[in-house]
Amino acid sequence: QSALTQEASVSGTVGQKVTLSCTGNSNNIGSYGVGWYQQISHGAPKTVMFENSLPSGIPDRFSGSKSGTTASLTISGLQPEDEAVYYCSTWDYSLSVRVFGGGTKVTVL
Amino acid sequence: EVQLVESGGGLVQPGGSLRLSCAASGFTFSNNAINWVRQAPGKGLEWVSGISGSGGSTYYADSVKGRFTISRDNSKNTVYLEMNSLRAEDTAVYYCARDRGVILTLGNAFDIWGQGTVVSVS
Repeated sequence: QSALTQEASVSGTVGQKVTLSCTGNSNNIGSYGVGWYQQISHGAPKTVMFENSLPSGIPDRFSGSKSGTTASLTISGLQPEDEAVYYCSTWDYSLSVRVFGGGTKVTVL
Repeated sequence: EVQLVESGGGLVQPGGSLRLSCAASGFTFSNNAINWVRQAPGKGLEWVSGISGSGGSTYYADSVKGRFTISRDNSKNTVYLEMNSLRAEDTAVYYCARDRGVILTLGNAFDIWGQGTVVSVS
């Protein structure tokens, strides 16, 4: 069982807005920023968001936010190329380890 | 171009050893912590280990503590993962990932990932 909880799957049509959530506790998400990683067809992961900031080259339809112990990744205007598994991750200071969520599979209908 | 390239994977028998390497280029290597993350077949991402920019601090997942050792040579821009007493459950693609911070405990995200190297224990 993952330390961070994510939805198993989310789906939407092209152009729709979808929001993925990542829930932890005060030792991890409540204390640190969250990274979001996109993995397409079991290729290498790619960073799409770090600490609510967009990496260079990532389209601005991706946005991030955090409230308390839950982080969110929103894709505004879903595109076919956004179909992937998305993982969230952060540091946990009580465990002294980096923790990941189980991943959310985003399907574009 | 900022890049991480893993190597050293392969097929090994249970109880055996392997050393993975992560070669970096395109940035000031000692300014960033480096992590190893693995993905077993059909599973999600699992953090394995991380090392600070100076090499002075190291951290491990419970699943590998005592069996794996992470190290770095800043003169060679390379991080290593020495894996001993390998088990079938260590079978995975191993990725190295650059931390945005110089130490892991800052809780910064990863920004650069390598392409991965495959480890099979059988």
